Amino acid sequence: AQTVTQSQPEMSVQEAETVTLSCTYDTSESNYYLFWYKQPPSRQMILVIRQEAYKQQNATENRFSVNFQKAAKSFSLKISDSQLGDTAMYFCAFMKQNFGNEKLTFGTGTRLTIIP
Amino acid sequence: ETGVTQTPRHLVMGMTNKKSLKCEQHLGHNAMYWYKQSAKKPLELMFVYNFKEQTENNSVPSRFSPECPNSSHLFLHLHTLQPEDSALYLCASAPLAGVAEQYFGPGTRLTVT
Repeated sequence: AQTVTQSQPEMSVQEAETVTLSCTYDTSESNYYLFWYKQPPSRQMILVIRQEAYKQQNATENRFSVNFQKAAKSFSLKISDSQLGDTAMYFCAFMKQNFGNEKLTFGTGTRLTIIP
Repeated sequence: ETGVTQTPRHLVMGMTNKKSLKCEQHLGHNAMYWYKQSAKKPLELMFVYNFKEQTENNSVPSRFSPECPNSSHLFLHLHTLQPEDSALYLCASAPLAGVAEQYFGPGTRLTVT
């Protein structure tokens, strides 16, 4: 079974600073996806960024980027130039690539607060 | 907005009531999911439907009964719930189960009294 660990329950940074959220996972699979989801206080979960395990290049979406270390099973999220709207719960998630029947396994989340 | 809607947004029910949660996706996806989100716990996958067929039941008690009449609609029928079932219930959809990211609805906050 896969497990996802987010060791930082809460973090806070000043607006415009850079922050890194950590995530580690455990799996014996070779083909999988990793995701970061954001859940703002309004509760709608939004996909932030996605990484395919076979890709060596780290995914980037505007101010959001990941540091994917496959051998170390580490998948951290870096938010640059943080904004007040980045305040949210952030969930790291793992999904085995399995057509038609898969599990999306989530970590317990990191509550990020951006301080004005 | 993600294109996934859920109703109602809030629900309070007694342990002897029967109620249903509704999820609708406007994305043309073929996979739909129910998750339970409790405080300080990881999201728990409950059910997966792919092309209207249930492909996953994650050992969910029978007091939760899913229904997927078509690829756009998903229901969760509730009866004789327990107070520990109080949680945020999230619906999600994906183009195809197992190969793509999921898009989540806003959730239904359920309180069982």
